[in-house]
Amino acid sequence: DAGVIQSPRHEVTEMGQEVTLRCKPISGHDYLFWYRQTMMRGLELLIYFNNNVPIDDSGMPEDRFSAKMPNASFSTLKIQPSEPRDSAVYFCASRRSTGKETQYFGPGTRLLVL
Amino acid sequence: KQEVTQIPAALSVPEGENLVLNCSFTDSAIYNLQWFRQDPGKGLTSLLLIQSSQREQTSGRLNASLDKSSGRSTLYIAASQPGDSATYLCAVEEASGSRLTFGEGTQLTVNP
Repeated sequence: DAGVIQSPRHEVTEMGQEVTLRCKPISGHDYLFWYRQTMMRGLELLIYFNNNVPIDDSGMPEDRFSAKMPNASFSTLKIQPSEPRDSAVYFCASRRSTGKETQYFGPGTRLLVL
Repeated sequence: KQEVTQIPAALSVPEGENLVLNCSFTDSAIYNLQWFRQDPGKGLTSLLLIQSSQREQTSGRLNASLDKSSGRSTLYIAASQPGDSATYLCAVEEASGSRLTFGEGTQLTVNP
């Protein structure tokens, strides 16, 4: 298996622009997680899905952020409009539903908003 | 709200030394505790997962212990090597769901 796939790996955009981050989980995994990592706040959970349904979005910072999972093999995290404080590394992770397994992380998308 | 703290924030040791990384958490109602490794510019790689009913897990030169009642875990690395240089993150999974709460990490440097 190729592992969790994220695209793009790097994104540089200007304030006010829309940003879309993409994630393909490991096949057979029915949990998908979006995290954000910054120097100031560390690694924070934004939202997670189970069987394509959002379960907990309490970590989504504000209405500018939205996430979707239209099918079991694809998810997006969208920021509209983007702001400089959104600059961070965004990770996607997935795992099976047994609960006794770890989460598998993608390589991350490094976002810079100018 | 669960809080996870890791001590020390950074550690530099000579090659071959045994070392201990510490993790503490405020809410003992956890499902499991996990240790991850993160290399610069990369994602996280799982090292060890300890279920709440377990006391320790071992993988090669790594040993992780869990004392749920006191809210503490340690990661022991034996005979450290330069390739062990990375940031080590501790995370707890809540008993009430799948949410992982991470510590700030310990940045380890092993000098040849």
